[in-house]
Amino acid sequence: AQSVTQLGSHVSVSEGALVLLRCNYSSSVPPYLFWYVQYPNQGLQLLLKYTSAATLVKGINGFEAEFKKSETSFHLTKPSAHMSDAAEYFCAVSFETGANNLFFGTGTRLTVIP
Amino acid sequence: KAGVTQTPRYLIKTRGQQVTLSCSPISGHRSVSWYQQTPGQGLQFLFEYFSETQRNKGNFPGRFSGRQFSNSRSEMNVSTLELGDSALYLCASSSAGHGTDTQYFGPGTRLTVL
Repeated sequence: AQSVTQLGSHVSVSEGALVLLRCNYSSSVPPYLFWYVQYPNQGLQLLLKYTSAATLVKGINGFEAEFKKSETSFHLTKPSAHMSDAAEYFCAVSFETGANNLFFGTGTRLTVIP
Repeated sequence: KAGVTQTPRYLIKTRGQQVTLSCSPISGHRSVSWYQQTPGQGLQFLFEYFSETQRNKGNFPGRFSGRQFSNSRSEMNVSTLELGDSALYLCASSSAGHGTDTQYFGPGTRLTVL
């Protein structure tokens, strides 16, 4: 069965420190992977996506993620955290080219400490 | 381009009632997906419509239904509301409805069932 696992429901980092949010997937077919961010009382905004092109994907706001097939991972990183990065982050996967339903992880709430 | 809009933003209903939520996709987008977000279950896929046809359906009871109009606007209906239906309902649109497409999310409708 296909699934997405986000390790760590809460992550705290100091302002200026590295941000690392973990995502692992389980799939028998090549996945398409996404990272979304959600600010309070808002919908989801796409940060970046992997669709079988370059394995290192750069997104908005300085975030990037690397697809590692051998580790079935798609971890999200940002070299230096900013206060405005405090939000909830969701890893999501879709598995079918002809379908448009996303399977989401449980989310990671990022807190940035000044 | 205007983003995805959802109306109403907030709803309060009582058990047993029914409710209809509306979603207007980004102009030109033909695929509309609906998701339910709750603290306990996270983000779960409800269904997807493409060119007025339901193409995919998640694991929700038949009380949850939807439709899509010729202008791609979509409605979601929940009948015989239960307390557990209290959630944020998110609508997302994408251009062609492929698994690689970016889904653009609306701000959501927050439904409270008393």
